[in-house]
Amino acid sequence: AQRVTQPEKLLSVFKGAPVELKCNYSYSGSPELFWYVQYSRQRLQLLLRHISRESIKGFTADLNKGETSFHLKKPFAQEEDSAMYYCALSYQGAQKLVFGQGTRLTINP
Amino acid sequence: GAVVSQHPSWVICKSGTSVKIECRSLDFQATTMFWYRQFPKQSLMLMATSNEGSKATYEQGVEKDKFLINHASLTLSTLTVTSAHPEDSSFYICSASRTGIPYEQYFGPGTRLTVT
Repeated sequence: AQRVTQPEKLLSVFKGAPVELKCNYSYSGSPELFWYVQYSRQRLQLLLRHISRESIKGFTADLNKGETSFHLKKPFAQEEDSAMYYCALSYQGAQKLVFGQGTRLTINP
Repeated sequence: GAVVSQHPSWVICKSGTSVKIECRSLDFQATTMFWYRQFPKQSLMLMATSNEGSKATYEQGVEKDKFLINHASLTLSTLTVTSAHPEDSSFYICSASRTGIPYEQYFGPGTRLTVT
Protein backbone atom coordinates (compact mmCIF):
# COMPACT_ATOMS: atom_id res chain seq x y z
CA ALA A 1 0.00 0.00 0.00
CA GLN A 2 1.07 3.55 -0.56
CA ARG A 3 2.47 5.24 2.49
CA VAL A 4 4.09 8.53 3.37
CA THR A 5 6.29 8.82 6.44
CA GLN A 6 7.45 12.00 8.10
CA PRO A 7 9.74 10.83 10.89
CA GLU A 8 9.80 14.10 12.81
CA LYS A 9 6.63 15.29 14.51
CA LEU A 10 8.38 18.39 15.77
CA LEU A 11 11.32 20.34 14.40
CA SER A 12 12.75 23.47 15.91
CA VAL A 13 15.51 25.58 14.36
CA PHE A 14 16.82 29.09 14.81
CA LYS A 15 16.11 31.89 12.40
CA GLY A 16 18.68 31.97 9.64
CA ALA A 17 19.63 28.32 10.06
CA PRO A 18 19.03 25.74 7.36
CA VAL A 19 15.98 23.57 7.69
CA GLU A 20 15.17 20.15 6.28
CA LEU A 21 11.89 18.37 6.75
CA LYS A 22 12.11 14.70 5.95
CA CYS A 23 9.64 12.72 3.92
CA ASN A 24 9.88 9.12 2.78
CA TYR A 25 7.34 7.25 0.75
CA SER A 26 6.54 3.73 -0.29
CA TYR A 27 5.15 3.14 -3.73
CA SER A 28 6.46 0.84 -6.40
CA GLY A 29 5.51 2.95 -9.39
CA SER A 30 6.08 6.59 -10.30
CA PRO A 31 4.43 8.78 -7.72
CA GLU A 32 3.76 12.46 -7.65
CA LEU A 33 4.95 14.08 -4.44
CA PHE A 34 3.79 17.28 -2.84
CA TRP A 35 4.34 19.43 0.19
CA TYR A 36 1.41 21.12 1.86
CA VAL A 37 1.62 23.77 4.55
CA GLN A 38 -0.81 24.90 7.21
CA TYR A 39 -0.01 28.16 8.94
CA SER A 40 -1.55 28.93 12.30
CA ARG A 41 -5.33 29.36 12.03
CA GLN A 42 -5.25 28.97 8.28
CA ARG A 43 -6.34 26.21 6.00
CA LEU A 44 -4.12 23.67 4.33
CA GLN A 45 -2.56 24.84 1.08
CA LEU A 46 -0.24 23.45 -1.55
CA LEU A 47 3.35 24.59 -1.12
CA LEU A 48 5.06 22.82 -3.98
CA ARG A 49 5.01 19.75 -6.17
CA HIS A 50 8.01 17.79 -7.33
CA ILE A 51 7.12 17.83 -10.97
CA SER A 52 7.25 21.60 -11.20
CA ARG A 53 10.78 21.79 -9.80
CA GLU A 54 10.19 25.27 -8.52
CA SER A 55 11.17 27.11 -5.37
CA ILE A 56 8.34 28.51 -3.32
CA LYS A 57 9.06 30.88 -0.44
CA GLY A 58 12.66 29.72 -0.62
CA PHE A 59 11.73 26.06 -0.18
CA THR A 60 12.81 23.35 -2.56
CA ALA A 61 12.30 19.61 -2.60
CA ASP A 62 13.94 16.99 -4.75
CA LEU A 63 12.45 13.63 -5.45
CA ASN A 64 15.03 10.90 -4.85
CA LYS A 65 13.60 7.69 -6.25
CA GLY A 66 16.56 5.63 -5.09
CA GLU A 67 15.99 6.63 -1.49
CA THR A 68 12.23 7.07 -1.96
CA SER A 69 12.50 10.46 -0.34
CA PHE A 70 11.16 13.94 -0.95
CA HIS A 71 12.76 16.11 1.70
CA LEU A 72 11.83 19.77 1.96
CA LYS A 73 14.70 22.20 2.37
CA LYS A 74 15.33 25.86 2.92
CA PRO A 75 18.81 27.33 3.38
CA PHE A 76 17.85 30.15 5.73
CA ALA A 77 14.77 29.73 7.87
CA GLN A 78 12.52 32.68 8.64
CA GLU A 79 10.11 33.11 11.53
CA GLU A 80 7.14 33.14 9.17
CA ASP A 81 8.04 29.61 8.11
CA SER A 82 6.69 28.30 11.41
CA ALA A 83 3.79 26.04 10.44
CA MET A 84 2.62 22.49 10.06
CA TYR A 85 4.03 20.78 6.98
CA TYR A 86 2.55 17.71 5.33
CA CYS A 87 4.14 15.58 2.66
CA ALA A 88 1.66 13.93 0.32
CA LEU A 89 1.69 11.40 -2.48
CA SER A 90 -0.51 10.79 -5.47
CA TYR A 91 -0.19 8.16 -8.14
CA GLN A 92 -1.52 7.41 -11.56
CA GLY A 93 -5.10 6.30 -11.57
CA ALA A 94 -5.72 7.45 -8.03
CA GLN A 95 -8.04 10.34 -7.51
CA LYS A 96 -6.68 11.09 -4.07
CA LEU A 97 -3.76 12.14 -1.95
CA VAL A 98 -2.05 10.14 0.76
CA PHE A 99 -0.72 12.38 3.53
CA GLY A 100 2.12 11.89 5.94
CA GLN A 101 1.70 12.52 9.64
CA GLY A 102 2.97 16.06 9.43
CA THR A 103 5.88 17.93 10.98
CA ARG A 104 5.41 21.01 13.10
CA LEU A 105 8.20 23.41 12.29
CA THR A 106 9.04 26.13 14.77
CA ILE A 107 11.52 28.86 13.90
CA ASN A 108 13.03 30.44 16.97
CA PRO A 109 14.11 34.09 16.85
CA GLY B 1 -10.25 32.61 -6.25
CA ALA B 2 -10.78 28.93 -5.37
CA VAL B 3 -12.31 29.41 -1.95
CA VAL B 4 -13.94 26.57 -0.07
CA SER B 5 -16.12 27.18 2.94
CA GLN B 6 -17.48 24.85 5.59
CA HIS B 7 -20.45 25.26 7.84
CA PRO B 8 -20.59 25.10 10.75
CA SER B 9 -17.06 25.79 11.92
CA TRP B 10 -17.80 23.95 15.14
CA VAL B 11 -20.70 21.95 16.46
CA ILE B 12 -21.58 20.17 19.67
CA CYS B 13 -24.21 17.46 19.58
CA LYS B 14 -25.55 14.82 21.90
CA SER B 15 -24.79 11.16 21.51
CA GLY B 16 -27.28 9.45 19.23
CA THR B 17 -28.18 12.50 17.19
CA SER B 18 -27.14 13.28 13.62
CA VAL B 19 -25.22 16.29 12.45
CA LYS B 20 -24.73 17.68 8.96
CA ILE B 21 -21.65 19.53 7.76
CA GLU B 22 -21.72 21.54 4.55
CA CYS B 23 -18.86 22.14 2.17
CA ARG B 24 -19.20 24.78 -0.52
CA SER B 25 -16.96 25.92 -3.34
CA LEU B 26 -17.67 29.64 -3.45
CA ASP B 27 -16.20 30.75 -6.74
CA PHE B 28 -15.74 27.64 -8.82
CA GLN B 29 -17.52 24.47 -9.78
CA ALA B 30 -16.12 21.44 -8.03
CA THR B 31 -16.30 18.23 -9.99
CA THR B 32 -14.78 16.37 -7.08
CA MET B 33 -14.95 16.91 -3.35
CA PHE B 34 -13.02 15.12 -0.65
CA TRP B 35 -13.79 14.60 3.02
CA TYR B 36 -11.03 14.12 5.55
CA ARG B 37 -10.91 13.45 9.23
CA GLN B 38 -8.12 14.71 11.43
CA PHE B 39 -7.50 13.56 14.98
CA PRO B 40 -5.52 15.79 17.33
CA LYS B 41 -1.88 16.02 16.32
CA GLN B 42 -2.39 13.48 13.58
CA SER B 43 -2.53 13.56 9.84
CA LEU B 44 -5.50 13.95 7.54
CA MET B 45 -7.21 10.68 6.82
CA LEU B 46 -9.25 10.59 3.64
CA MET B 47 -12.74 9.35 4.34
CA ALA B 48 -14.35 9.53 0.95
CA THR B 49 -14.26 11.06 -2.49
CA SER B 50 -17.39 12.30 -4.13
CA ASN B 51 -18.12 13.33 -7.68
CA GLU B 52 -21.11 15.46 -8.48
CA GLY B 53 -24.20 13.43 -9.19
CA SER B 54 -22.73 10.06 -8.28
CA LYS B 55 -22.27 8.03 -5.14
CA ALA B 56 -19.29 8.71 -2.96
CA THR B 57 -16.34 6.36 -2.91
CA TYR B 58 -15.44 5.51 0.66
CA GLU B 59 -12.03 4.55 1.92
CA GLN B 60 -11.54 1.19 3.53
CA GLY B 61 -12.74 1.16 7.10
CA VAL B 62 -15.09 4.12 6.76
CA GLU B 63 -18.70 3.22 7.45
CA LYS B 64 -20.75 4.61 4.60
CA ASP B 65 -24.00 4.20 6.51
CA LYS B 66 -22.63 6.27 9.34
CA PHE B 67 -20.95 8.98 7.31
CA LEU B 68 -23.44 9.92 4.61
CA ILE B 69 -22.01 12.02 1.83
CA ASN B 70 -24.11 13.85 -0.71
CA HIS B 71 -22.70 15.84 -3.62
CA ALA B 72 -25.89 17.10 -5.17
CA SER B 73 -24.48 20.09 -7.01
CA LEU B 74 -21.19 21.34 -8.38
CA THR B 75 -20.79 23.71 -5.45
CA LEU B 76 -22.11 21.78 -2.47
CA SER B 77 -21.29 18.57 -0.70
CA THR B 78 -22.61 17.51 2.68
CA LEU B 79 -21.34 15.06 5.26
CA THR B 80 -23.90 13.74 7.72
CA VAL B 81 -22.67 11.92 10.78
CA THR B 82 -25.54 9.70 11.79
CA SER B 83 -26.18 8.46 15.32
CA ALA B 84 -23.08 10.24 16.50
CA HIS B 85 -21.02 8.87 19.36
CA PRO B 86 -18.21 10.47 21.36
CA GLU B 87 -15.63 8.58 19.30
CA ASP B 88 -16.85 10.49 16.25
CA SER B 89 -15.57 13.69 17.82
CA SER B 90 -12.94 15.00 15.47
CA PHE B 91 -11.96 17.72 13.03
CA TYR B 92 -13.56 17.21 9.64
CA ILE B 93 -12.05 18.90 6.61
CA CYS B 94 -13.40 19.03 3.11
CA SER B 95 -11.61 19.98 -0.07
CA ALA B 96 -12.79 20.64 -3.58
CA SER B 97 -11.24 20.26 -6.98
CA ARG B 98 -12.47 21.79 -10.20
CA THR B 99 -10.46 19.41 -12.30
CA GLY B 100 -10.51 16.16 -10.37
CA ILE B 101 -6.72 16.24 -10.31
CA PRO B 102 -5.72 15.16 -6.77
CA TYR B 103 -3.21 17.87 -5.98
CA GLU B 104 -5.48 20.60 -7.26
CA GLN B 105 -7.56 20.49 -4.13
CA TYR B 106 -8.61 23.60 -2.26
CA PHE B 107 -9.20 22.98 1.38
CA GLY B 108 -11.93 24.25 3.63
CA PRO B 109 -11.21 25.60 7.12
CA GLY B 110 -12.55 22.50 8.83
CA THR B 111 -15.38 21.72 11.25
CA ARG B 112 -14.79 20.74 14.84
CA LEU B 113 -17.37 18.16 15.94
CA THR B 114 -17.78 17.34 19.61
CA VAL B 115 -20.21 14.62 20.61
CA THR B 116 -21.21 14.62 24.26
